[in-house]
Amino acid sequence: DAMVIQNPRYQVTQFGKPVTLSCSQTLNHNVMYWYQQKSSQAPKLLFHYYDKDFNNEADTPDNFQSRRPNTSFCFLDIRSPGLGDAAMYLCATSDPRGGLAGVEQYFGPGTRLTVT
Amino acid sequence: KNQVEQSPQSLIILEGKNCTLQCNYTVSPFSNLRWYKQDTGRGPVSLTIMTFSENTKSNGRYTATLDADTKQSSLHITASQLSDSASYICVVNPREDDYKLSFGAGTTVTVRA
Repeated sequence: DAMVIQNPRYQVTQFGKPVTLSCSQTLNHNVMYWYQQKSSQAPKLLFHYYDKDFNNEADTPDNFQSRRPNTSFCFLDIRSPGLGDAAMYLCATSDPRGGLAGVEQYFGPGTRLTVT
Repeated sequence: KNQVEQSPQSLIILEGKNCTLQCNYTVSPFSNLRWYKQDTGRGPVSLTIMTFSENTKSNGRYTATLDADTKQSSLHITASQLSDSASYICVVNPREDDYKLSFGAGTTVTVRA
């Protein structure tokens, strides 16, 4: 089945120790997104890629970086995790050919990040 | 600023009963409005999607309605099951930006036997 896969599902890192979360998709979608979701809150968009074009949200901290080496894979790098970065990180994909109906986003299962 | 507000924040219902969740939004114009179900520790899964011209959309026991005049949507769950326990998120897609969705904070539904 076509899907969005995130690894690992659970990640524990130490304060200040760089960590990388990965996302892959078999949907062949042009657009990939990274969201941060804290407990009982709505997902917050960090950035998205349209093909290789990187689009950063204005309020995304510099501590968060992303790489997209090819259509299928996208990585989220947190350079120096703080306690406030503990959250669920969601990857999503979309096909921009939504026309007037807009664009459907398909979410992965998420990676739960714990910072100790 | 585009906003999506959901109510109630949480609710508890008995198995087999019905419930209705509310979503008020200020996003305008918009391309579509969606309801997602998010199980604890999982990513959101789409339940229904309605364009601005649609009034209702069903997916099994889930029925969503949309009133574009009052900028309100509702999600009705019929004959609830234990597996319906989850967070339900209302999401509006602004027409001017397909890539930045407006999310509600969600309603947490707990179904008890």
